Amino acid sequence: DAGVIQSPRHEVTEMGQEVTLRCKPISGHNSLFWYRQTMMRGLELLIYFNNNVPIDDSGMPEDRFSAKMPNASFSTLKIQPSEPRDSAVYFCASRTGGQTYEQYFGPGTRLTVT
Amino acid sequence: DAKTTQPNSMESNEEEPVHLPCNHSTISGTDYIHWYRQLPSQGPEYVIHGLTSNVNNRMASLAIAEDRKSSTLILHRATLRDAAVYYCILSADNNAGNMLTFGGGTRLMVKP
Repeated sequence: DAGVIQSPRHEVTEMGQEVTLRCKPISGHNSLFWYRQTMMRGLELLIYFNNNVPIDDSGMPEDRFSAKMPNASFSTLKIQPSEPRDSAVYFCASRTGGQTYEQYFGPGTRLTVT
Repeated sequence: DAKTTQPNSMESNEEEPVHLPCNHSTISGTDYIHWYRQLPSQGPEYVIHGLTSNVNNRMASLAIAEDRKSSTLILHRATLRDAAVYYCILSADNNAGNMLTFGGGTRLMVKP
């Protein structure tokens, strides 16, 4: 099993540009989570999906952020327009359903907005 | 949401046991106790979880106080690879998936 796959691993962009982060969850997992980690705020949950449906997006910082999950094997997190304060490491995680609570995290995407 | 309190950092010697404490005095009856760790430059990694009884797995043991207001993650023999930030997290049991709220965690340093 390849685990959760995220791309790109590193992204450097200029303020105002659109950024799209991608995630492929583990096959068979039906919940997907997007987190953001910064030194100041730690690890924050942005949004999570259950069976491709967004369940809670209360952690999404503002309208510049949007997330989609068009199918069970792919999700995107988009920032448009990006700002320097969006610089962070973005993690995607997935889990199976039922009584299994373990979340599996991807390696993260380090985003730098200049 | 019930919160957890952990020491900012701890040190251990290699091959010695490590006891990482976590206080959660406002825990509710349905909250599970989860432990994750984050190695440098990696995503968090599940370690163990429990509800009321002590739990053991290949990575660690989880000792839960009888009143559930505190718990301790036990690494039986620390290795250099165990140097990481350890997060103690409470999560309610719900069908929508367990939402994890990460706090500051404990940074464990392991000395050779």
